[in-house]
Amino acid sequence: SYVLTQPPSVSVAPGQTARITCGGNNIGSKSVHWYQQKPGQAPVLVVYDDSDRPSGIPERFSGSNSGNTATLTISRVEAGDEADYYCQVWDSSSDHPDVVFGGGTKLTVL
Amino acid sequence: QVQLQESGPGLVKPSQTLSLTCTVSGGSISSGGYYWSWIRQHPGKGLEWIGYIYYSGSTYYNPSLKSRVTISVDTSKNQFSLKLSSVTAADTAVYYCARGSYNKPLGYWGQGTLVTVSS
Repeated sequence: SYVLTQPPSVSVAPGQTARITCGGNNIGSKSVHWYQQKPGQAPVLVVYDDSDRPSGIPERFSGSNSGNTATLTISRVEAGDEADYYCQVWDSSSDHPDVVFGGGTKLTVL
Repeated sequence: QVQLQESGPGLVKPSQTLSLTCTVSGGSISSGGYYWSWIRQHPGKGLEWIGYIYYSGSTYYNPSLKSRVTISVDTSKNQFSLKLSSVTAADTAVYYCARGSYNKPLGYWGQGTLVTVSS
């Protein structure tokens, strides 16, 4: 089965840039989606198809995907960005497509 | 605007069957191309995909849960359901329903429901 690897935690000062990685074998060939989850809430989509943003998501959120690593970048980090972030792909290596999540990264705003 | 809402018992006894329903509003569950999924999250842990039912009715489950999981759909009520048998305390989690398309994100989620397995 396909595995996505995220760092457990990332810390950044307000106003700085946070980069959260998602590693997977040849992940650059897949579409990567990113979700933000705050305590007690359902996940919210912040980036889809590697680098697109849903309506209502600030331009500070961006994404990239190449080779074996996808990256969610949050510019000018704010206190309200503190949350858990998950990457997700669909894996079609078996006879049915699987939904695969990364283990999640806790973003701490110092 | 599509909305999903989970419902079901918040407390289930060990060895019994966990049953949850997801009611879909703002769109038909029979609409083509969608995978209607169940995802769970153990307390303080990450997201775990349980399985999905495709709009055509075909299902696919996480291999780690496959022997205990059944997902079904009731198009007349615009609902899909999850049954997880022989539960233990390890099945205590927040359970989410969500909608996605292949290679696309899970764009719509329910708010989640906490299910506790305890006698």
